[in-house]
Order: sequence, then C-alpha cells, then structure tokens
Amino acid sequence: DQQVKQNSPSLSVQEGRISILNCDYTNSMFDYFLWYKKYPAEGPTFLISISSIKDKNEDGRFTVFLNKSAKHLSLHIVPSQPGDSAVYFCAARSLSGSARQLTFGSGTQLTVLP
Amino acid sequence: KAGVTQTPRYLIKTRGQQVTLSCSPISGHRSVSWYQQTPGQGLQFLFEYFSETQRNKGNFPGRFSGRQFSNSRSEMNVSTLELGDSALYLCASSHTSDSYEQYFGPGTRLTVT
Repeated sequence: DQQVKQNSPSLSVQEGRISILNCDYTNSMFDYFLWYKKYPAEGPTFLISISSIKDKNEDGRFTVFLNKSAKHLSLHIVPSQPGDSAVYFCAARSLSGSARQLTFGSGTQLTVLP
Repeated sequence: KAGVTQTPRYLIKTRGQQVTLSCSPISGHRSVSWYQQTPGQGLQFLFEYFSETQRNKGNFPGRFSGRQFSNSRSEMNVSTLELGDSALYLCASSHTSDSYEQYFGPGTRLTVT
C-alpha cells in the first residue's frame, strides 16, 4: 500500500524552462511534506518543505504547492538548470499516530537538457 | 559541522551471511533512522532510534535489527542475507524523533551474491 506516490518515474526538461514534479498521497494524517534531491552515490539532501496549514512555500527557484483536498503536492523549479538533474523524492509524515516516520515516494528522475 | 557518516560505503556478501552497518549522526542529533533503497521502490523505512530506544519500526522481517549507543551512533544488522537484500542502506539523523527534517548519510551499498 503506497501512501505516497510519484507516478512519473522520469521527466526531461529544457534548460531555462519550468520543471514540475508531482506527488500524490493517500493518508490524511500527513501534516508535513518534504522534497529531497538525490545525486548518484550520495544520500538524499533536503530541498524544501511545506506544512499542511499552508498551500505554497517558496525558496529561490523552488516552489512547493500543496492541494490538501486533492491530496496532491507539486514541486516547481524555475528556471531549470542542468545541475538540477537528479532523482527527486517526495516525502510525508505526521507527528501523531502511525505515520510518524517519513514515508517516501518512489522518486522521479529529472533530466535538464542544455 | 560534519554530516552523517556511514561505514562501510560498499560491501559484498554471500547469501546466508550476516552484515553490520554503522552510522554516525550529526553532532547533537539524537534520532537515527534507517532506510532501504531499491530501484523503483523509493526509500523504505526500516526503523528509528532515539536515546538508545527503538521508537518506530517498518515492515521488514526480524532478520533486520538495529541498536543505538549512548553517543547516538547506530548500527544495523541483517542476518541470513538473501539476494533481495541487495540495496542501498541509508541512515538519517535529526535532533529529536519529532523533528520534521532528516539529514541523510551517503549510504552503504550492499550487494548479496
């Protein structure tokens, strides 16, 4: 039972354009959502997060949008750069109940073409 | 501040053997979580330790176990290795078990032949 789903295993975008990575979740107990970026042979690095009381959080070129009614979040990268090419994982957790640990999606490989 | 370190970085074992992986968290962090990453499966939660106590456990068989020491360093053990245990094992640390953000180490790549 995948509680966090990233349905696109890969995405290719031209440099300078917008990259949109999507994530869906099923557990309504989740109250905090995070995006991690992972390069080969390295551990995931924290990118940006959003609390369930917000619908948008922005940090430089990265913006995360949360639609609680649709149980959907997305990560927008504008403008995309070749160095952004990596696997992006969406994660969610709750401080209560059985969802205390981070639950990850299966990841989306983003390739930014020069 | 030094990041999360994991040793060894690479390991090759044969079926039936057992293996121990080590994780040193960021200084001051008291919570350590372990994850297994396999292709197409994302990161699967194994367990979390805080103050030497297991706080949370994922859906893995009893062959997977762990512990945490008083200095917050953690070890993970897998007994009777199977081919399917080949994966990248990641350790993450955070200040407390209620901290939202976790910081990951580079992982240990385990290959079982």
